[in-house]
Amino acid sequence: DIQMTQSPSSLSASVGDRVTITCRASQTINKYLNWYQQKSQKAPQVVIHAASTLQSGVPSRFSGSGSGTEFNLTISSVQPEDFAIYYCQHSYGTPPWTFGQGTRVEVQ
Amino acid sequence: QVHLQESGPGLVKPSETLSLTCTVSGGPIGSYYWTWLRQPPGKALEWIGFVYHTGTTKYNPSLKTRVTMSIDTSKNQFSLKMDSLTAADTAVYYCAREREQWIPIPSRWFDPWGQGTLVTVSS
Repeated sequence: DIQMTQSPSSLSASVGDRVTITCRASQTINKYLNWYQQKSQKAPQVVIHAASTLQSGVPSRFSGSGSGTEFNLTISSVQPEDFAIYYCQHSYGTPPWTFGQGTRVEVQ
Repeated sequence: QVHLQESGPGLVKPSETLSLTCTVSGGPIGSYYWTWLRQPPGKALEWIGFVYHTGTTKYNPSLKTRVTMSIDTSKNQFSLKMDSLTAADTAVYYCAREREQWIPIPSRWFDPWGQGTLVTVSS
């Protein structure tokens, strides 16, 4: 299975800060990388798919980059509603699809 | 707007079988991969497997011997059965639709998700 590793596991930020989360794959996955946001007690929602494609309805302050084995999710100016846990997930080749362990973005 | 809703027991005894159903509304069940995932309390997400509208299935190798998925297109429902449960199977179980695109960039992702249902394995 492809292992997905996120860093950091948590971070503190103030409203308006720029936030970047990194996800590394144990082998190349081209651009088959998705990012999900999970708010407390809610189901995850896709934010970015194909490494850099913004899901419809997601604010443009979210952006994704990377290919191969290293990827980033950036929030250009974090807003109160962005405090959540973010997961990366690969969809390269054949299943099983695997997720990173999550990054908690907390208010400072 | 497609909506998914999980249903099933919230408490299951060890060694017994879990049965969950996901009802799809607001759109057809055809031509998609319908997926089950789970999330143990405080832990990351785990992909369990999918069932295609034709009935084709694919399971996570780590769970393959205990999992069976099926689909009933006439009812717009798909189901998960997992047997020989232990406390380690305690989790929120989600159903989701796997979406796929080929243009401009090949991509597969989960959207939408059901709200999730907590399953506790305990005697």
